[in-house]
Amino acid sequence: GAVVSQHPSRVICKSGTSVKIECRSLDFQATTMFWYRQFPKQSLMLMATSNEGSKATYEQGVEKDKFLINHASLTLSTLTVTSAHPEDSSFYICSATGGGGGYNEQFFGPGTRLTVL
Amino acid sequence: DAKTTQPPSMDCAEGRAANLPCNHSTISGNEYVYWYRQIHSQGPQYIIHGLKNNETNEMASLIITEDRKSSTLILPHATLRDTAVYYCIVRARGKIYGGSQGNLIFGKGTKLSVKP
Repeated sequence: GAVVSQHPSRVICKSGTSVKIECRSLDFQATTMFWYRQFPKQSLMLMATSNEGSKATYEQGVEKDKFLINHASLTLSTLTVTSAHPEDSSFYICSATGGGGGYNEQFFGPGTRLTVL
Repeated sequence: DAKTTQPPSMDCAEGRAANLPCNHSTISGNEYVYWYRQIHSQGPQYIIHGLKNNETNEMASLIITEDRKSSTLILPHATLRDTAVYYCIVRARGKIYGGSQGNLIFGKGTKLSVKP
């Protein structure tokens, strides 16, 4: 099946710094990528949807200026958590769907655990 | 997307079949039933999906009732490695236009514990 990778798998940073998380589709071209966040003992919550070459669409309540998403190529999307604070500590997961035009399944990355001190 | 209802937790003995139910009484005609699972601290893993016919693959079988208002995921011979949270999701399998259309909405799922 299709493979999606994330880097880093785990990051610890100080409050106020910015952190970039990469999501790559390794063996297919991802026209759309999704970013989710998961707090302990909770389900995945969609943060934003990004289509290659266009601006991301954010879910209600997600600050677009804090969570910067760039989907510059068909195999790479990045999520930058700007001025991170302890409440941003979470498990961030991306998923990707590919092909030219639809009827495609979503494949998930392994996740990135962010801890903000 | 239609909502789904799943039991919060289930236990299963190793080697036995695990039958995970899901209710989706408001499912629309163009919506598929998807199953994913999430092993602790990992990303979700696709298991199977179906529209109205029963489906089987190397991981599991999906049984959908004739009225499509409920379904059951069957793991025929559960192992300890099948311990995970299982999510039943319904969504239209249409084109991805961006925004929220096409994404998967995760509920709370069923935490399956396979015991030796």
